[in-house]
Amino acid sequence: DQQVKQNSPSLSVQEGRISILNCDYTNSMFDYFLWYKKYPAEGPTFLISISSIKDKNEDGRFTVFLNKSAKHLSLHIVPSQPGDSAVYFCAASAGGSNYKLTFGKGTLLTVNP
Amino acid sequence: ETGVTQSPTHLIKTRGQQVTLRCSSQSGHNTVSWYQQALGQGPQFIFQYYREEENGRGNFPPRFSGLQFPNYSSELNVNALELDDSALYLCASSIGGVSIYEQYFGPGTRLTVT
Repeated sequence: DQQVKQNSPSLSVQEGRISILNCDYTNSMFDYFLWYKKYPAEGPTFLISISSIKDKNEDGRFTVFLNKSAKHLSLHIVPSQPGDSAVYFCAASAGGSNYKLTFGKGTLLTVNP
Repeated sequence: ETGVTQSPTHLIKTRGQQVTLRCSSQSGHNTVSWYQQALGQGPQFIFQYYREEENGRGNFPPRFSGLQFPNYSSELNVNALELDDSALYLCASSIGGVSIYEQYFGPGTRLTVT
């Protein structure tokens, strides 16, 4: 039972355009959401997060939107750059005693020059 | 500030053997979580250690065990290795009780079981 779903295995975007990566979740107990970026042969790198009490969080070129009623979040990258090409993982936490992260399967973003 | 480090980088073991993977947490972090990432999947939570005690466990059998040391470094031990244990093992550190949501990952150990 996958509680965090990234339904697009891959996404290809032109440099300078917007990249939109989507994530859906099923567990209503999730109260914190994170995006990680992963390059080959490296561990995931924390990118941006959002608490369930907010619907938007922005950090430079990266914005995360949260729609709690739809149990959906998205990561917008504007403008996209070739260096953004990586696998992006959506992760969620239900807090509690250990704040374990539940990850989606990831979306491979390719930004073409 | 030193990031999360893991050793070894790669490891090949035979089915039935035992393996120990090591992790040094980021400076100032007292919590270590271990994840298994199979090919084409997202990382899956194995367990977490906080102040040398296990602080939560995912859906992994008891042959997966761990330790955390006073300096907050950690070990993951896997006994009786199975072919399906072949995966990337990731260690993540965080600050318990403060910014525990944001976990910072090491580069991982690639384990191959033949």
